[in-house]
Amino acid sequence: DAKTTQPPSMDCAEGRAANLPCNHSTISGNEYVYWYRQIHSQGPQYIIHGLKNNETNEMASLIITEDRKSSTLILPHATLRDTAVYYCIVRSPSGAGSYQLTFGKGTKLSVIP
Amino acid sequence: NAGVMQNPRHLVRRRGQEARLRCSPMKGHSHVYWYRQLPEEGLKFMVYLQKENIIDESGMPKERFSAEFPKEGPSILRIQQVVRGDSAAYFCASSQQGGSYEQYFGPGTRLTVT
Repeated sequence: DAKTTQPPSMDCAEGRAANLPCNHSTISGNEYVYWYRQIHSQGPQYIIHGLKNNETNEMASLIITEDRKSSTLILPHATLRDTAVYYCIVRSPSGAGSYQLTFGKGTKLSVIP
Repeated sequence: NAGVMQNPRHLVRRRGQEARLRCSPMKGHSHVYWYRQLPEEGLKFMVYLQKENIIDESGMPKERFSAEFPKEGPSILRIQQVVRGDSAAYFCASSQQGGSYEQYFGPGTRLTVT
């Protein structure tokens, strides 16, 4: 799986949009970008994933650049409950490594009142 | 729709004892994954199982650790003769199918070895 690079920490004001960047410059053409988050001491929570098109669900939006070398997770209206470590993960769609989620250090997002 | 269940949530064992961690996947899910999170570190993949089969155990320590997912009942991660270095949070995840399907995680079992 391609490696990802994320800033170690970010702050966001409550009610504002949180934009979390991720670089994955060595991503292969068939690899997906996944986002998970881990709220303190809890199990990781799936947020969203995408291949090349932008995706949106009830939790967040995922913007993938045209060259697919980077992406941004957007939480449109951050709340205090969104304070967590956010992980950007690149996965193969099939093969031996497709089911292993490789968690890096992620970005610690702090939502400030 | 119940999520992934893990028990116990907290487990304390003395050095040399055995630890058994249980995981019940989400309803309709037949694929189970175990991950370990050491203090202040990220999650590391340990093993991937389907019913009655171990598919990939490349992340499992070679000794003392074993996992199973029987035809009936929960998946079990077993650690024999625990040592202090086994103290960690152990998370189970499940998915509807294998491959790149989304994995949904349980709340974890926090193992403390004294």
